[in-house]
Amino acid sequence: GDSVTQMEGPVTLSEEAFLTINCTYTATGYPSLFWYVQYPGEGLQLLLKATKADDKGSNKGFEATYRKETTSFHLEKGSVQVSDSAVYFCALSEGSNDYKLSFGAGTTVTVRA
Amino acid sequence: SAVISQKPSRDICQRGTSLTIQCQVDSQVTMMFWYRQQPGQSLTLIATANQGSEATYESGFVIDKFPISRPNLTFSTLTVSNMSPEDSSIYLCTTLAGGAGDTQYFGPGTRLTVL
Repeated sequence: GDSVTQMEGPVTLSEEAFLTINCTYTATGYPSLFWYVQYPGEGLQLLLKATKADDKGSNKGFEATYRKETTSFHLEKGSVQVSDSAVYFCALSEGSNDYKLSFGAGTTVTVRA
Repeated sequence: SAVISQKPSRDICQRGTSLTIQCQVDSQVTMMFWYRQQPGQSLTLIATANQGSEATYESGFVIDKFPISRPNLTFSTLTVSNMSPEDSSIYLCTTLAGGAGDTQYFGPGTRLTVL
């Protein structure tokens, strides 16, 4: 079945550091890929998505590129802020007629001032 | 996008009782989903609830434990039956929004604690 493997955390960074969270996937077809973020005490929010190979999703300074050859969708941000402290989830869906999301384990990121 | 509200936002329940969680969407949607997020864990899909048909449950989840209703295109309920402490989780309702491809939008969740 479809699955997502996500870099284990927790990750602790200083402000303005570079952040990478690795995500690889296994899927039988051509999934859509997502990054969701959960800020402390809040619900899950879509951060960015990509629906086909070589697409780049971007939002709030975060980027991730859909790499079919390496089955990866790594999340990156060049300069993190304290406000980026959150739990980040990589997810996929097989969108042809089944929109169920399969989530990775989540990575807790803490950014220190 | 779709705006989703859930009731209650949180509850503390006694073992052996049942709780019904309501999910309301601000627009008509075909597909709704219920997820569970156990403490410190990722999200797990419980079931898919489409209007006009029986809910489809994922492996490990059964209708007797998690009955779902979907009476119309804007509303769904999930009941957690005969609760035990292992049911303590955040329960989330999600839906696909028309015109947004396959992006799912999440409700704020219901934080359930079972004593």
